[in-house]
Amino acid sequence: GAGVSQSPRYKVAKRGQDVALRCDPISGHVSLFWYQQALGQGPEFLTYFQNEAQLDKSGLPSDRFFAERPEGSVSTLKIQRTQQEDSAVYLCASSSWTAGGGGYTFGSGTRLTVV
Amino acid sequence: AQSVTQLDSQVPVFEEAPVELRCNYSSSVSVYLFWYVQYPNQGLQLLLKYLSGSTLVESINGFEAEFNKSQTSFHLRKPSVHISDTAEYFCAVSELIQGAQKLVFGQGTRLTINP
Repeated sequence: GAGVSQSPRYKVAKRGQDVALRCDPISGHVSLFWYQQALGQGPEFLTYFQNEAQLDKSGLPSDRFFAERPEGSVSTLKIQRTQQEDSAVYLCASSSWTAGGGGYTFGSGTRLTVV
Repeated sequence: AQSVTQLDSQVPVFEEAPVELRCNYSSSVSVYLFWYVQYPNQGLQLLLKYLSGSTLVESINGFEAEFNKSQTSFHLRKPSVHISDTAEYFCAVSELIQGAQKLVFGQGTRLTINP
């Protein structure tokens, strides 16, 4: 597609429920990032994929968070047993391998509200 | 680890007035610097970037930022703002991880334009 697509756009989950957030990057983009943006804050790094390999997951806040990109294209961020503090916008960004400092294309995000 | 400080959380200005959004970063080594803009209910859009070369970079909609290595700053300016510039602005610095440039964001500055 022409841009980075994220779904669902909005998700309301009851506390304790598992959720799965999808990111469809720009076709051919090797690098894929997930960020978490709490209300009134800047985006915080969660994890990074290069193709199907998850090379950095140091930003995942707990072992309830899990991300995968099994075929090197679509990625899924899964949150188990959601808590209220997980409420945030989850942003996905992708870039071609040679982008270096060229910046990334961000999706519109998934707004997760845990009630 | 890199860090970014945006000194103003909110900046209200009148239409057609000049504006400066301040950004300081922590690193003393070579970095890539970015400004992203986020309009309400939308994802992040790249506004401008500094990679190397001229320290003054410009965007297509009249914004400019100047890289100042000695002051570790990358302030964003516009000589005359428009109502449509109302948005949240994020400064970011790159950090090299596993062959890719991870973005570290500031907390954001909300620019409000009053008629």
